[in-house]
Amino acid sequence: EPEVTQTPSHQVTQMGQEVILRCVPISNHLYFYWYRQILGQKVEFLVSFYNNEISEKSEIFDDQFSVERPDGSNFTLKIRSTKLEDSAMYFCASTVSNQPQHFGDGTRLSIL
Amino acid sequence: KNEVEQSPQNLTAQEGEFITINCSYSVGISALHWLQQHPGGGIVSLFMLSSGKKKHGRLIATINIQEKHSSLHITASHPRDSAVYICAVILHSGGSNYKLTFGKGTLLTVNP
Repeated sequence: EPEVTQTPSHQVTQMGQEVILRCVPISNHLYFYWYRQILGQKVEFLVSFYNNEISEKSEIFDDQFSVERPDGSNFTLKIRSTKLEDSAMYFCASTVSNQPQHFGDGTRLSIL
Repeated sequence: KNEVEQSPQNLTAQEGEFITINCSYSVGISALHWLQQHPGGGIVSLFMLSSGKKKHGRLIATINIQEKHSSLHITASHPRDSAVYICAVILHSGGSNYKLTFGKGTLLTVNP
């Protein structure tokens, strides 16, 4: 069965550094998402992406965040200047339309 | 303001017991998802519902749209069912991007 894959599984970065989290969604899916989960808290929506543009973003998704789908397969989340509070598990998900979303295994981001 | 509330937060059961996890939501939705998150962090979609009832193996999910309530049942529970079960909804006001709004999850532990 096709899977959403995320790399790396764990990223450790110094505060203030840029980080890029990578995702390969399922190939025929059209809607792409980034969610995050701070340790011990619920999963939160960050951004949705459809038709090569952001369709919605949350208040969390400020100017330090950006997403790209550079080559039709990869879907990346960039944090320009990381803060301690960016430490979380980041999940990528994709779906065809109003169908169950398929999640990657997540990237654990640790900011030192 | 929590749009999605789950109960209980924690649930411990003995192997073989029938388990019910509840989800209530306060706003109009177009669909409700039940998800499973294992200790390693990965998220798997179990069900997507907009009405009625769905069954998959020992898992049953029901939804009552009028009462804004859904339940996830596990029959003949097994230690391998131990995980966090998360209710997530697609809000009517969420536009057409199908983003999920999550509950805090229910930590289920099934003892042998």
